[in-house]
Amino acid sequence: EPEVTQTPSHQVTQMGQEVILRCVPISNHLYFYWYRQILGQKVEFLVSFYNNEISEKSEIFDDQFSVERPDGSNFTLKIRSTKLEDSAMYFCASTARNNVKGTFGSGTRLTVV
Amino acid sequence: KNQVEQSPQSLIILEGKNCTLQCNYTVSPFSNLRWYKQDTGRGPVSLTIMTFSENTKSNGRYTATLDADTKQSSLHITASQLSDSASYICVVTGGSYIPTFGRGTSLIVHP
Repeated sequence: EPEVTQTPSHQVTQMGQEVILRCVPISNHLYFYWYRQILGQKVEFLVSFYNNEISEKSEIFDDQFSVERPDGSNFTLKIRSTKLEDSAMYFCASTARNNVKGTFGSGTRLTVV
Repeated sequence: KNQVEQSPQSLIILEGKNCTLQCNYTVSPFSNLRWYKQDTGRGPVSLTIMTFSENTKSNGRYTATLDADTKQSSLHITASQLSDSASYICVVTGGSYIPTFGRGTSLIVHP
């Protein structure tokens, strides 16, 4: 069964550093999403992406965040200057159509120290 | 403000027993409601998705119901197995297509 692949599985970074989280969505999917889950808390929507542009974003997705689909296969989330409170599990998901059940990756655990 | 409330917060049952998880929401307008299963340290896996006109949707031993008038949904698990131990998350999407997640119900199935 097709999978969404995320790398790395765990990243540790120093506060203030930039990080890029990578995702390879399912190949025929057109809609891409990023979510985060702070330890012990609920999953939160960050952003959705379609046709090379952001279609929806939440209040969490401020100027320090950006997304990109640089080469037609990868979908990345960049955090420009990480803060301690950015420590969380970040999940990527993709769907063939909008607003349907998505396929999630296994997540990247980001730890900011 | 859009909210999704789930109950109970946690539940312990014996293997083979049935259980029902609840989800109440205030999301409006309503687009769809999804139930996910999330194992510890893993990404959520979709179980069911229901739109406004659907009252019941089954996926194997999982059956979800939706009452759009009272804004309530339930997930019924039949003949529970040890592998059902996980967090079950209710997600409601409104007109903005931004999903609102519940905090989940942590289910533990004991042998």
